[in-house]
Order: sequence, then C-alpha cells, then structure tokens
Amino acid sequence: GENVEQHPSTLSVQEGDSAVIKCTYSDSASNYFPWYKQELGKRPQLIIDIRSNVGEKKDQRIAVTLNKTAKHFSLHITETQPEDSAVYFCAANFGNEKLTFGTGTRLTIIP
Amino acid sequence: GAVVSQHPSWVICKSGTSVKIECRSLDFQATTMFWYRQFPKQSLMLMATSNEGSKATYEQGVEKDKFLINHASLTLSTLTVTSAHPEDSSFYICSARAQTLVGTQYFGPGTRLLVL
Repeated sequence: GENVEQHPSTLSVQEGDSAVIKCTYSDSASNYFPWYKQELGKRPQLIIDIRSNVGEKKDQRIAVTLNKTAKHFSLHITETQPEDSAVYFCAANFGNEKLTFGTGTRLTIIP
Repeated sequence: GAVVSQHPSWVICKSGTSVKIECRSLDFQATTMFWYRQFPKQSLMLMATSNEGSKATYEQGVEKDKFLINHASLTLSTLTVTSAHPEDSSFYICSARAQTLVGTQYFGPGTRLLVL
C-alpha cells in the first residue's frame, strides 16, 4: 500500500524565520498532495494542496513544492507567527482517492 | 463552503454499549465520506470509506461488524461503534470528498469517545 514519510517530527523556529517540512511518498501514481494543519483537539484544516501537473504553488506565506521524479514534496512557511504553532500533516492520494497521511510535524514558533 | 459537521463532539459511555456518530456535509453533496481514528499524538488512520447507497469499504484490520457504517444520503454518514470497550476510546473524525475537486477532503470537527 501507499506509504508517506514525514520529517521532522518536531520543529522549533524563531518567530519571523521560515519553516520547512518534507514528505516522501511511495506510489508513483499519486497525483494529489494536500497539507493539513491541526491544532490541539481540533479538526485537520486544509491549508494548501498541489496536484501533479504543477511543481510549485504559493498562497501568501505558505508554499508547497513537488518533485515527482524524486517522489517528494515540501511545505514552506515564511515569516512564521505564533499562530502557526500546530501539528502539520502531509498526505498523498492513492487508489480510489483515499489519502495516506504522514506521521505529522509538531511546529513550535518561539516568540 | 465545504463545511462538514459531526455529532456528538464528546461522548462517554459504559463498556458494552453502542455509540452512534453522525457526519454531515452541510453545503455540498458528498458521494464519498471517510472515517478516521486518531490516537493521542498520532496521525490519522483511515478506518473505512463510505459510499452513498453502497456498502462501506473497510481498511485491513478494521472489524466491519464492530464499526458499522451507513451512508444513506448524499449528506449523511453514520459510524456506530458496537459493544464499545476502553481500547476503542479515541478521536473519531470523518471527512467528505467534494465532487467538484478530485481528492480534496474536508474534515468534520471530530468526536472524542471515552469508554469506561
């Protein structure tokens, strides 16, 4: 089945600096890669996604890059703010649109 | 748009009882809904895929007779945890796939189940 690896598991960043989270996937047929942000006790919220027909997508301070050849994609958050502190999950689709999630990255922004 | 609700948000029950959780897509039709379970500090684990008008597809290791899923309409799917035991205590989250955007899933707020 599909496997998604995510690194790092924890990340502490000074406020204002950038944060980068990386994921690799195993199924070369995957073509949809969303990123979710989950605050404690809350639902995962879709923050950005990318499809395999593009290599990069940006939405204000958030960007995602995709390297289909290497089968990895990354989340970039610039000018980090305290409210960016949360757990971030990457995911990749496989089969009939099921998503496999990475193990999560706990991001802490240090004021 | 793309709002998914879930009810109840919290439930505490005695061991051996059954608990029903509802998942609704409020402003769009969802032919496919997904049920996940999340243990503390862990990732989301897919339990089953729920398709409107047909039987659910369960992931390996998930007992279909214990976790009953019904998707009777395009806006409602239910998960019933039958004969719940303490090890079933977890955070259960549903998601709904939007028909217009292939792959995109929107999540409900989750149901925290505690079995005593």
